[in-house]
Amino acid sequence: AQSVTQPDIHITVSEGASLELRCNYSYGATPYLFWYVQSPGQGLQLLLKYFSGDTLVQGIKGFEAEFKRSQSSFNLRKPSVHWSDAAEYFCAVGLRGTSGTYKYIFGTGTRLKVLA
Amino acid sequence: GAGVSQSPSNKVTEKGKDVELRCDPISGHTALYWYRQSLGQGLEFLIYFQGNSAPDKSGLPSDRFSAERTGGSVSTLTIQRTQQEDSAVYLCASSGRGSSYNEQFFGPGTRLTVL
Repeated sequence: AQSVTQPDIHITVSEGASLELRCNYSYGATPYLFWYVQSPGQGLQLLLKYFSGDTLVQGIKGFEAEFKRSQSSFNLRKPSVHWSDAAEYFCAVGLRGTSGTYKYIFGTGTRLKVLA
Repeated sequence: GAGVSQSPSNKVTEKGKDVELRCDPISGHTALYWYRQSLGQGLEFLIYFQGNSAPDKSGLPSDRFSAERTGGSVSTLTIQRTQQEDSAVYLCASSGRGSSYNEQFFGPGTRLTVL
């Protein structure tokens, strides 16, 4: 069965430090991959997505993610974290279904805390 | 409106009552998704619609849960005889067609509390 694993439930970093959030997926083919962020009391916002091509994708807010097929991973990175990055981050895979639409499977999320 | 809207934003109900949650997708979006987010859990897929039909209902946790979509637009998620374990945030998302890469746009959610 398809699954998405985010092994880190909580991560704490100091402001200005680098960040890497891990995501591994289980799927027979290369899925479509997404990272979303959910700030407190807010809906989910798309940070970036990967469908094909360059395995390093750039997103909003200075985030990037790298797709590694051999490791079935799609880790999210940011070189320098800002206090406003404190939020919950979700990795997701998109699986093509019928009628040209997609079913999405989400990981359980990683909650990021940023220390001043 | 410009985004996905959901109502109510908060709902408190007593165990055993029925509730209806509403989702208004982005105009023109043909696909609509319902998810449940429980405390400390990820997003649990419930159901999705393509137009008015639901190709995948596999995520509905029990027969107390049902959803419909009319006119290819607004969707209603109904939970009958609510239980305390139904307490969660219910999120709706929509996506369009025309691109091979359907990005989901999420609403702010409905927080359901069952007492």
